[in-house]
Amino acid sequence: DAKTTQPTSMDCAEGRAANLPCNHSTISGNEYVYWYRQIHSQGPQYIIHGLKNNETNEMASLIITEDRKSSTLILPHATLRDTAVYYCIVRAPRNQGGKLIFGQGTELSVKP
Amino acid sequence: DAGITQSPRYKITETGRQVTLMCHQTWSHSYMFWYRQDLGHGLRLIYYSAAADITDKGEVPDGYVVSRSKTENFPLTLESATRSQTSVYFCASSEASLSGNTIYFGEGSWLTVV
Repeated sequence: DAKTTQPTSMDCAEGRAANLPCNHSTISGNEYVYWYRQIHSQGPQYIIHGLKNNETNEMASLIITEDRKSSTLILPHATLRDTAVYYCIVRAPRNQGGKLIFGQGTELSVKP
Repeated sequence: DAGITQSPRYKITETGRQVTLMCHQTWSHSYMFWYRQDLGHGLRLIYYSAAADITDKGEVPDGYVVSRSKTENFPLTLESATRSQTSVYFCASSEASLSGNTIYFGEGSWLTVV
């Protein structure tokens, strides 16, 4: 299973963009990168996922480097409600069970 | 939405008792997962299932048993609960396809073993 490395914590000013980095240097060609977040002890909330191309949805943008060894989650205008633990995960391919193995995540604090 | 539900949401049990946590999803997703999250830590995969009657071990399977007789249900049983199994348990489900699919999580079952 490909591992991910994220900073333990980050701060961001309210209204500014939050850029959360993730290293996944052992990722294989058919493994997707997923981002989830968890607020307090609620169930993890899906944010976005991608394979090769950059992706954008209503919540965030995902930038994946050309060699796919790292990615960045961008929250364009962070609010206090975005304070959470953010998990970058590489999902095993379907023929290996399709499981998500969580790392420790990045604790993002959005400050007024 | 309430596509994936867990029960009970809160449970206190005694050491040595058998406990079953239920997980039900209404989407007919092929994949289902069980995770545990200890206070202040990340989620660890206990068991997962790619389809009915197909289950496999995750990172921390010891002390747990699962079954998947129906696609929509994935119960997790602690055969003889121990205090170290005090945790929050999350169930999740996902479609099966060659492209990436969202994995949806339930709200969690808080289990305390005394």
